[in-house]
Amino acid sequence: DIQLTQSPSFVSASVGDRVTITCRASQGVNTHLAWYHQKPGKAPGLLIYSTSTLQSGVPSRFSGSGFGTEFTLTISSLQFEDIGTYYCQQFNYYPFTFGQGTQLEIK
Amino acid sequence: EVQLVESGGAVVQPGGSLRLSCAATGFNFGGYAMHWVRQVPGKGLEWVSLISWDGTVTYYAGSVEGRFTISRDDSKNSLYLQMNSLRTDDSGLFYCGKERTGHYIESWGQGTLVTVSS
Repeated sequence: DIQLTQSPSFVSASVGDRVTITCRASQGVNTHLAWYHQKPGKAPGLLIYSTSTLQSGVPSRFSGSGFGTEFTLTISSLQFEDIGTYYCQQFNYYPFTFGQGTQLEIK
Repeated sequence: EVQLVESGGAVVQPGGSLRLSCAATGFNFGGYAMHWVRQVPGKGLEWVSLISWDGTVTYYAGSVEGRFTISRDDSKNSLYLQMNSLRTDDSGLFYCGKERTGHYIESWGQGTLVTVSS
């Protein structure tokens, strides 16, 4: 199975900060990677798919990049509503594994 | 508006069986592959299974292969997960999910809770 390792596991940042989360894959997954945001007590929501394509309705402060084994999710200017846990997921090989998650809090 | 509503979660003893359902509305159910994803409360996400749009192809996580069966009934706009030989580590909140092109999980239900305990 493909292992996805997210870093950091926890991040605390201030409103307006730029935040970057990394997802590293144990094998190349081309650009078949998605990012999700899960708010406390809620189901996850799709943010970005195919590494860099913003899902409809997602604010433009979110962006994604990468290829192969290294990917990043960037929030250009952190907002209060961005708190929660972020997950990457690869769709290049079955099973479609998730990263372990990155918990984001506001300072 | 896409809506996915899971049901069937319960407390079950180890070795038991359970069938989860997911009722889908707001889209052409028969045109999309569907997923099941598990989450232990307070922990991360684990992809469980996928069924193709036409039901002919299924995939499973290794941890459930041979014990769980995903199926769909397009006439009822419903997705199912038959879970047999349940173990304590199968416990969790089970979400169903609708794909978008490329199998990304575009829409999620609110989940149904399965607890395997003696």
